[in-house]
Amino acid sequence: GENVEQHPSTLSVQEGDSAVIKCTYSDSASNYFPWYKQELGKRPQLIIDIRSNVGEKKDQRIAVTLNKTAKHFSLHITETQPEDSAVYFCAASSPGNTGKLIFGQGTTLQVKP
Amino acid sequence: EAQVTQNPRYLITVTGKKLTVTCSQNMNHEYMSWYRQDPGLGLRQIYYSMNVEVTDKGDVPEGYKVSRKEKRNFPLILESPSPNQTSLYFCASSSGGAKNIQYFGAGTRLSVL
Repeated sequence: GENVEQHPSTLSVQEGDSAVIKCTYSDSASNYFPWYKQELGKRPQLIIDIRSNVGEKKDQRIAVTLNKTAKHFSLHITETQPEDSAVYFCAASSPGNTGKLIFGQGTTLQVKP
Repeated sequence: EAQVTQNPRYLITVTGKKLTVTCSQNMNHEYMSWYRQDPGLGLRQIYYSMNVEVTDKGDVPEGYKVSRKEKRNFPLILESPSPNQTSLYFCASSSGGAKNIQYFGAGTRLSVL
């Protein structure tokens, strides 16, 4: 079945540095790639997403890039702040109009003040 | 306010005692899903539903049942819970289509003794 691999599993950066989280997906028919942020004790919430017809999307300090040929996409956070500390999940849509998302294993980001 | 509501938030039970976790959404979404979240394994889909009376297995369906008799409700049933079903459970709903943003409930932390 379809698989999404996410790396690294943990990431520690100093406040103000950049953070990059990478994901690869297995099914070339996937066409929607969201990123979710889960703060401690809370539910996952969408922070940014990208469709397969777009190579890059930016929203303030966060950006996502997509390489369809290589089947990987990345989340970039610049000027990190302590409130960016959370678990981040990437996901890829399952082919067909099923509404199904396949999630990566998650990355725990720690931003040190 | 648009929301996904699941209950209970916390549940401690014993092996073999049937339980139901309820999930309700007020956004008229067609798609609903159940996930379990375990450390290091990310969000794994248990079951999903594309509409009333249409359900399908996710990646880890064993030991679980679901039903979708009404569009707004998607309960998760554990007929005979076992300790390996101790986990954090999330219900989610989405409108599907081109941009499949999933909205998560607050989560149910289940312990099976």
